[in-house]
Amino acid sequence: DIQMTQSPSVLSASVGDTVTITCRASQPINDFLAWHQQKPGKAPKFLIHRAIFLKTGVPPRFSGSASGTEFTLTISSLQPDDFATYYCQHYDGSSPYTFGQGTKLEIK
Amino acid sequence: EVQLVESGGGLVQPGGSLRLSCAASGFILSEHYMDWVRQAPGKGLEWVGRTRNRAQNYITEYAASVNGRFTVSRDDSKSSLYLQMNSLKIEDTAIYYCVVWMSMVGSWGQGTLVTVSS
Repeated sequence: DIQMTQSPSVLSASVGDTVTITCRASQPINDFLAWHQQKPGKAPKFLIHRAIFLKTGVPPRFSGSASGTEFTLTISSLQPDDFATYYCQHYDGSSPYTFGQGTKLEIK
Repeated sequence: EVQLVESGGGLVQPGGSLRLSCAASGFILSEHYMDWVRQAPGKGLEWVGRTRNRAQNYITEYAASVNGRFTVSRDDSKSSLYLQMNSLKIEDTAIYYCVVWMSMVGSWGQGTLVTVSS
């Protein structure tokens, strides 16, 4: 099974900051990497697919990158609405379609 | 607009069964992969199972933790996805979400809570 290792577990930042979350796959996943955002008590929301492509309607301050088996989610100029938990997920190819452990982005 | 509405959650005893439903609208169900994902209280997201689309013969895939106990199915004529859960364990307690993948872009339902307890 492919393991997804996400870091950090918790990230403290201020409004206006730029932050980066990293996700590493235990083997190549052909960039079948998604990022999801979840706020407390709410269903997750889909942000990015194929590692770098934003879902329609997602603000451009969100961006994704890929280098081999390492993937990053960058949020520029943090807004109050961005404080949430973020998950990466390997979503195609071979199951199980594993999620990372999650990164809680909290206000400093 | 894509919409997914889960239902069927509730309280069930260990060893019992439950069937969850996901009503889909805004797209043609047969054309897309559908997943079930769950989240135990205070925990992260866990992929549970998938049914691929008609073009891929509706192949189903499961997480090891539910394989042999849970069954994913669909009724395209009713635009509905199902999760039949048998031999339920306390550790199956979670919010269960359905997810549609459309050209590799996902959309989530709002979830339904399943509580397994005596």
